[in-house]
Formats: sequence, structure tokens, C-alpha cells
Amino acid sequence: TQLLEQSPQFLSIQEGENLTVYCNSSSVFSSLQWYRQEPGEGPVLLVTVVTGGEVKKLKRLTFQFGDARKDSSLHITAAQPGDTGLYLCAGGTGNQFYFGTGTSLTVIP
Amino acid sequence: KAGVTQTPRYLIKTRGQQVTLSCSPISGHRSVSWYQQTPGQGLQFLFEYFSETQRNKGNFPGRFSGRQFSNSRSEMNVSTLELGDSALYLCASSSAPLGYNEQFFGPGTRLTVL
Repeated sequence: TQLLEQSPQFLSIQEGENLTVYCNSSSVFSSLQWYRQEPGEGPVLLVTVVTGGEVKKLKRLTFQFGDARKDSSLHITAAQPGDTGLYLCAGGTGNQFYFGTGTSLTVIP
Repeated sequence: KAGVTQTPRYLIKTRGQQVTLSCSPISGHRSVSWYQQTPGQGLQFLFEYFSETQRNKGNFPGRFSGRQFSNSRSEMNVSTLELGDSALYLCASSSAPLGYNEQFFGPGTRLTVL
């Protein structure tokens, strides 16, 4: 059982479409992070959300932290082929750090 | 500023052998964390070292161990390798203990156990 469940697991969309990735947990996190990982590379941090209900925007990416700090979402507007990659949410609780199950996104030109 | 480097990038071992992986953090970073990434289990936290002390440890058997040197470089050792240890091993460094600041990942070491 994974502490952070992401959905969907796989997503293949056409360039220009919008999409939302979800990260859910039954545990409360003081903060959640979103990463993107490309093949052959380590994950790269996109954003950290800290406050329940917080919304952060990074160009075409919008991140939201749930009010109860148990879930988060990533919305991409007008997806581009360069958005292709593995998206991971992550957070620390107790003495451990957890990554989500991952969402593999493919944007078709 | 140089990024996180990991050596070797690729490694092939046989069951029962042991392996040591190395991670050099970004200059000035004192926190190094190790992760295992597999298609089935995803990215899982192994342990974190800060100023030569292990701060946190994930749910892995004792065959997985690590250490950190005074220059913040870290090594991870896996003894008595099993087929299931085949994975991408990632390390990440940060200027503060895990969870406080951004962590920067290296490219990983791809370990194959035959």
C-alpha cells in the first residue's frame, strides 16, 4: 500500500488539451511537492505547497493543496510535447519521505 | 555550480555479491538522501544523512546501508544482492535536512542483478 496514490497512472493526450493529475492520501502532510522526471534523469522539483487550500501557478501548470492537507492536484493547460514525463507528488511525515505512485504523461504533437 | 553526481552510472552484478554506490552532493549541501526506483514500487526512500549522521531511514532490510563522509559525499552499500534489488538508485542533496528545502537529484545509478 502506497501512502500517496496518484491518478491516473498513465495519460496520453493530444497537444493543446488540458489535464489534471491527482495525488491522494489518508495522511496529513505539512507540505507536498511535485516533481517531473524525464527518462535517464532524476526528478526535478516543480513546486512545494505548504498551506491548506493553497494554489500556485507556474506558467501553464496550476498546483492546489487540499484544505485538509491530505491531497493535491496538478492541472496543465494547453499541454505541449515538452510536458511529457513522469509526474510525482511527494511529502514527508514522521521520519520518512514518500513519493507518489507517479503519473506518466505523454503529449502527442 | 556542479550538480549532484553519482558513480557509476551503470552496474551489473550477480546474486550474492555486494555493491557500493557513490554520491557527491552539490557543494555546500550537507543533506544526502537515497532512493530506490523500480517500475513496480516506484520511488522509495532508503535513508537520509545529514552532517555524517543518519537522520531518517525507510523500510528496507539491513542489507542496505550507507554512510556520509566529512566532505558530505555519501556511499550506499547493498550486501548479498538479490534479483529484486535491480533498480535505479537515486541520491539527492539539500542544503538543509530533508523536508525543509528543495532537494536536487542526481542522474542515478542503474543496477542490474543477474
